[in-house]
Amino acid sequence: EVQLVESGGGLVQPGGSLRLSCAASGFTFSSYSMNWVRQAPGKGLEWVSYISSSSSIIYYADSVKGRFTISRDNAKNSLYLQMDSLRDEDTAVYYCARVRYWGQGTLVTVSS
Amino acid sequence: SYVLTQPPSVSVAPGQTARISCAGDNIGSKSVLWYQQKPGQAPVVVVYDDSDRPSGIPERFSGSNSGNTATLTISRVEAGDEADYYCQVWDNGSDHPWVFGGGTKLTVL
Repeated sequence: EVQLVESGGGLVQPGGSLRLSCAASGFTFSSYSMNWVRQAPGKGLEWVSYISSSSSIIYYADSVKGRFTISRDNAKNSLYLQMDSLRDEDTAVYYCARVRYWGQGTLVTVSS
Repeated sequence: SYVLTQPPSVSVAPGQTARISCAGDNIGSKSVLWYQQKPGQAPVVVVYDDSDRPSGIPERFSGSNSGNTATLTISRVEAGDEADYYCQVWDNGSDHPWVFGGGTKLTVL
């Protein structure tokens, strides 16, 4: 069974940093590209970042480019999102997602 | 970048058929997924590759995709189908590869 479990969310002040993790199981993690998707309270889904299976191709949404860094460790079946210079508008549930499979999400709240 | 447009809301009586559209430029050339999201829960795929259903999804959920519009059809709507529905495509070759529609709130009257 495919499982994606996010962790690392929490309350952080504007300008602060947070690192999200996603533990993958039930499939060959190293064979799949991965994504982070977020959903602000009461809003729709917003794609955040993409990383290819070998980490050779990385993309970011314009709203996070230069502040967020996606990475993965195929040996540990793990996906990461380093979030720096956080803003109020980054407040959202962050989901780790593979094609057709999503985690349950982790809440990031940016507030003073 | 590629844009997908959904109606903000659709209302239907129980037992009737709901149709939710997703418009995009030549979307018929792309593979479409549909997600169902209930309050406080993660999105769940109900249709992928335009018209395939994951195991466990009722046959009442079906999808089609042609030209500039993809459609999610829910037959014999039940109260439990009330949720937000999102379409998504893979924009191959783009630096914004995952594109979502704005979402449609399905209300069961």
